[in-house]
Amino acid sequence: GAGVSQSPSNKVTEKGKDVELRCDPISGHTALYWYRQRLGQGLEFLIYFQGNSAPDKSGLPSDRFSAERTGESVSTLTIQRTQQEDSAVYLCASSLAASGWSTDTQYFGPGTRLTVL
Amino acid sequence: KQEVTQIPAALSVPEGENLVLNCSFTDSAIYNLQWFRQDPGKGLTSLLLIQSSQREQTSGRLNASLDKSSGRSTLYIAASQPGDSATYLCALQYSGAGSYQLTFGKGTKLSVIP
Repeated sequence: GAGVSQSPSNKVTEKGKDVELRCDPISGHTALYWYRQRLGQGLEFLIYFQGNSAPDKSGLPSDRFSAERTGESVSTLTIQRTQQEDSAVYLCASSLAASGWSTDTQYFGPGTRLTVL
Repeated sequence: KQEVTQIPAALSVPEGENLVLNCSFTDSAIYNLQWFRQDPGKGLTSLLLIQSSQREQTSGRLNASLDKSSGRSTLYIAASQPGDSATYLCALQYSGAGSYQLTFGKGTKLSVIP
């Protein structure tokens, strides 16, 4: 079956513009996570969805960041008024459920590389 | 707050050599620890996952160990090959994170020289 897909693969934008990043999880996976990887840094958790609701938004760095999920499927991460420090690879992962069991391993998409000029 | 440290940050070895990558963490209340491989433009590939109750996992030339009491994990790669060149990430799920998100180290960049 298809894995997690993300689009676009690369996005170059000007400072101050808004951007939308898309994630298509594996079909049937109820849990969806967004992570960010800035140059030279480890992956940072941004937000978690269980179904269409987001019970944990603790990793969002500012109110310029928001995300939604519809139909327990596609998720969109929106960054408003982009800043240069938003430049990073944004990774999406999905899992069957949210737990610490190995059966609920997170599967990652290829990421979207965002460059803010 | 959980902190995950990977040493070394980069490693270069000749082909055929055995090698060990290290990962340490500060909070031992973990559900599991996972090793990933990251290739440019291809996202993350899960290599091995060790549940909290386990001590090690093996897959082919890879062996990962977990010592919760000391807060350490190692990834052993036998008979390294140029195709093993990638960044290796250690990540874990722990009870302090309510939504089971992964907490990552910064990775070890491995280069295997033919």
